[in-house]
Amino acid sequence: QQQVKQSPQSLIVQKGGISIINCAYENTAFDYFPWYQQFPGKGPALLIAIRPDVSEKKEGRFTISFNKSAKQFSLHIMDSQPGDSATYFCAASRGGGADGLTFGKGTHLIIQP
Amino acid sequence: DAGITQSPRHKVTETGTPVTLRCHQTENHRYMYWYRQDPGHGLRLIHYSYGVKDTDKGEVSDGYSVSRSKTEDFLLTLESATSSQTSVYFCATAVSGTGELFFGEGSRLTVL
Repeated sequence: QQQVKQSPQSLIVQKGGISIINCAYENTAFDYFPWYQQFPGKGPALLIAIRPDVSEKKEGRFTISFNKSAKQFSLHIMDSQPGDSATYFCAASRGGGADGLTFGKGTHLIIQP
Repeated sequence: DAGITQSPRHKVTETGTPVTLRCHQTENHRYMYWYRQDPGHGLRLIHYSYGVKDTDKGEVSDGYSVSRSKTEDFLLTLESATSSQTSVYFCATAVSGTGELFFGEGSRLTVL
């Protein structure tokens, strides 16, 4: 499985601001790009996901932007809240994901009140 | 909640001892996975299963073996634990063809 590169490693945002996390991938066979959210002591949980036939997907305050030609995708959290403080992982898979997801190394997000 | 139970949730063991972690699911998902999570490395795939008795290696499979004798159970075994296997281990399941993984709450293993 090829690498998914995620940045930044950590991020501090003021309450009400926009949090932006970026990922880049190498394998052009990837066709599913999810973001997972993880709170301390818990397992990761799916937050939002996109497939490469669209350039953007929005669910509430969370938006994925996808740039197929640049092989990059990003998570935007609008109106960031202290409850959004967590670790976020981007990931990618191919062909239905039977052989699992390849994850980025994670971003530790802190939203300051 | 995908009905995934991992056991034990915490374990401390000594170098050289065998360790088995168990993952039990109640959702009848076909696919099951074992990941390890380490600071600075994210989540890395150890082994996965695509059906009863059907398993394959992931990115970091050395030193680990798995078995799946029933749809609901997926076991991860460290035949002879080493300090480098100190980690948090996550089991995950997936419905066929969706790509979405559901994770358990993790098993923290410390090898002294």
